Formats: sequence, C-alpha cells, structure tokens
Amino acid sequence: DIQMTQSPSSLSASVGDRVTISCRASQGISNYLAWYQQKPGEVPKFLIYGSSTLQSGVPSRFSGSGSGTDFTLTISSLQPEDVATYYCQKYNSAPLTFGGGTKVEIK
Amino acid sequence: EVQLVESGGGLVQPGRSLRLSCAASGFTFDDYAMHWVRQAPGKGLEWVSGISWNSGNIGYADSVKGRFTLSRDNAKNSLYLEMNSLKPEDTALYYCAKVGTIAAAGTTLYPFDIWGQGTMVTVSS
Repeated sequence: DIQMTQSPSSLSASVGDRVTISCRASQGISNYLAWYQQKPGEVPKFLIYGSSTLQSGVPSRFSGSGSGTDFTLTISSLQPEDVATYYCQKYNSAPLTFGGGTKVEIK
Repeated sequence: EVQLVESGGGLVQPGRSLRLSCAASGFTFDDYAMHWVRQAPGKGLEWVSGISWNSGNIGYADSVKGRFTLSRDNAKNSLYLEMNSLKPEDTALYYCAKVGTIAAAGTTLYPFDIWGQGTMVTVSS
C-alpha cells in the first residue's frame, strides 16, 4: 500500500506568516491528493482536491500544489482561525490513506 | 441542508459486535459513494471502508478486513457498518463521510466533502 508522510508534524508561526506543509507519497499518485483541516474539537473540513483545486468557500490564502509524489499545502498569510491540524489524503486507489497530520499553532 | 448523522456507538467488550448507522439527508443519497473514517483519541484520521452508490464496489482497510462489513440501503438513505470481533485498537470516533462527486461508474475514489459529527466506539473489558 502507498504510504503518506506529512512534515513537519507540528509548527508554530506568527500571524501573517507564510506556512508550508509537505505531504509525500511513497509511490506516484498523479494529482489524486486532497487536504483537510480539523480544528480542535471539530469535524474535518474539506479544503482542496486534485492537489490544487480549492473547495468552494475556502479562503484564497490556502493553496495546494504538486503531482506524483510530492505535494504542498500553503497558507499565504496565517490567521488565528487557521489553528488546526491539516491532513493530506490520497484517493487514486484504495486504501484512501491519510497522512499523519500537521498541527499548526500561533506563535 | 446536507447532513450526516451517525449512531450506534457505545462501550463494548473485546470480541463482541456493534452496528453503526449513518442517516443521510439533504442530498440524493444514491448518487454518491460513502465512506467511514475513524479517529482514535488524540490520533490522526484512518480510512476504514467505502462503498459505491450501487454497493457494487466495497473496500476495506487491512486493519478491519474480515471483521467489518459495510452496506447501504438507498431506499432508507442510510449507511451501515457491522463491526465484529472488536478489538481495543478499534476504539475511536467513527465518522460517516460523503464523497464530493457523483460517479458515473461504481467507484469510491473521491475525496470527502461532507462529514458527520461522529459516533464514539469504545472497546474495553
């Protein structure tokens, strides 16, 4: 099975900073990569699909990129409401594996 | 409003069974594949199982294969997860999730745009 590895596992940044989260697949998955945001105590929220397409209603400060094995989620200007754990997920084939998550905090 | 409501969780002894349900509303249920995802306390997300709109394609994580059975009743807008031979490591919050795309073919391979609030399963003696 294809493994999904996220890095870092956690990060702390200041409001307004540019934040980058990496997700690496152990084999190529084309662009079948999604990102989710889970705020503390809440249900996961769908952010991005197809590696780079924003789901409707997601703020434009979020962006995704990558193809094959290496993917990135970028928050261009971190806001207090972005405090959450972010997960990538592959969906090219079963199992639809999630990455281990990246916890984002405000410094 | 699109809504998924899970039920059926609880405290169960190791080796016993439990059946989870997910009631869907606000969308045409039989247009979409559906999935279960679980999250152990303080841990990350783990995909459990997915089913196509017509039940023709069902997949399971290796960790539950042979013990869990996923089914759906499109007439009742409901999804079910029959869990047998439960283990302590099955303890988690179980989420029902809807895919974001209507599949022309019987595939389950889409990301999840709507999630329920989850139902907690605790396996302990």
